[in-house]
Amino acid sequence: SQELEQSPQSLIVQEGKNLTINCTSSKTLYGLYWYKQKYGEGLIFLMMLQKGGEEKSHEKITAKLDEKKQQSSLHITASQPSHAGIYLCGADMNRDDKIIFGKGTRLHILP
Amino acid sequence: DTGVSQNPRHKITKRGQNVTFRCDPISEHNRLYWYRQTLGQGPEFLTYFQNEAQLEKSRLLSDRFSAERPKGSFSTLEIQRTEQGDSAMYLCASSLALAGRETQYFGPGTRLLVL
Repeated sequence: SQELEQSPQSLIVQEGKNLTINCTSSKTLYGLYWYKQKYGEGLIFLMMLQKGGEEKSHEKITAKLDEKKQQSSLHITASQPSHAGIYLCGADMNRDDKIIFGKGTRLHILP
Repeated sequence: DTGVSQNPRHKITKRGQNVTFRCDPISEHNRLYWYRQTLGQGPEFLTYFQNEAQLEKSRLLSDRFSAERPKGSFSTLEIQRTEQGDSAMYLCASSLALAGRETQYFGPGTRLLVL
């Protein structure tokens, strides 16, 4: 079973539109990480959230961790072609510093 | 460039051959992680080091896999008697583990194809 569920699996949006990606677990997430991956390349760190209710923003990307620390969302405002790629959420679920990843959300931006 | 580097970036080998990958972490990062990623999946933890000590190995890491970090700097991952199921992207990450939560920074990966 997948401990960390991401939705949607893939997303196609028109350039300039907003979008949201979700990451859900039945367990407490002690550290929640968002990474971006270009096809066939390594992971680029975006943000890390630790506290319930925490929210962080970088440029047009905002990530939130819910109060129960079991769900996170990644929101992109006014999407651009450069936002295309695979977004991966990962979490420390056992307080052992090992990251368990979801399967990723594939984002395509239409010009 | 002071990020995590991995070599080679691509490797094609025949079944039964041995392969070795290298990872150079960010300077002064004391932790180094290896992950494996197959198509359509997120990365899966394989093993990690704190300095030169290998602290944990996943059950995914069969006896054919061995990893070292001899001087607490770069690391190597060797796969002996490769099988077609070993075809994957092998990712390395490093972090500076102090008090509090660490962030892992990933390298570009080594893509392995076993024919």
